[in-house]
Amino acid sequence: GAGVSQSPSNKVTEKGKDVELRCDPISGHTALYWYRQSLGQGLEFLIYFQGNSAPDKSGLPSDRFSAERTGGSVSTLTIQRTQQEDSAVYLCASSYAGLAPNEQYFGPGTRLTVT
Amino acid sequence: ILNVEQSPQSLHVQEGDSTNFTCSFPSSNFYALHWYRWETAKSPEALFVMTLNGDEKKKGRISATLNTKEGYSYLYIKGSQPEDSATYLCAHSSNTGKLIFGQGTTLQVKP
Repeated sequence: GAGVSQSPSNKVTEKGKDVELRCDPISGHTALYWYRQSLGQGLEFLIYFQGNSAPDKSGLPSDRFSAERTGGSVSTLTIQRTQQEDSAVYLCASSYAGLAPNEQYFGPGTRLTVT
Repeated sequence: ILNVEQSPQSLHVQEGDSTNFTCSFPSSNFYALHWYRWETAKSPEALFVMTLNGDEKKKGRISATLNTKEGYSYLYIKGSQPEDSATYLCAHSSNTGKLIFGQGTTLQVKP
């Protein structure tokens, strides 16, 4: 079946602009996660959804970052007033439930470059 | 250990060599340990999820062991092939599934 998809695959934006990154999880997966990898850094947790609720937003780096999930499916990560330090690869993952230790299936990522 | 630490950071081996990497993680409140392989321009791919102390898992030429009491896991690759070239990520998870990753070990296998 279809895997996790993300769009766009690449995004170049000017500092100060808002961007939206989209994630389509595997059908039936109730848990959805956003991570990012900045240059020279490891993968960093951003936010976790169980259904449409986000019980853990602890990884969002600032209030410029927000995310929502609708219909228990698609999720959008929004970054307002982008800064150069927001440049990173943003990865989405989904799994059957929020209960570990289920495997998470990752999308191909969105490479965001803020100029 | 407060974070997940992986060593070495990078590794270059010849085709046919066997190799291993180390992952260290907080041993308190352990829930699960995950290994992923991340090839350039592809999605990270799950290799193993381990929960029990002493667990050993194997997939083809790749195997992993887990010691939850001392907080480490080893990943072994037997007879490395060029297609094994990738970054190998280790992560521990909480009961929500949130993954805390190490920096990864980048393996380059030369033909």
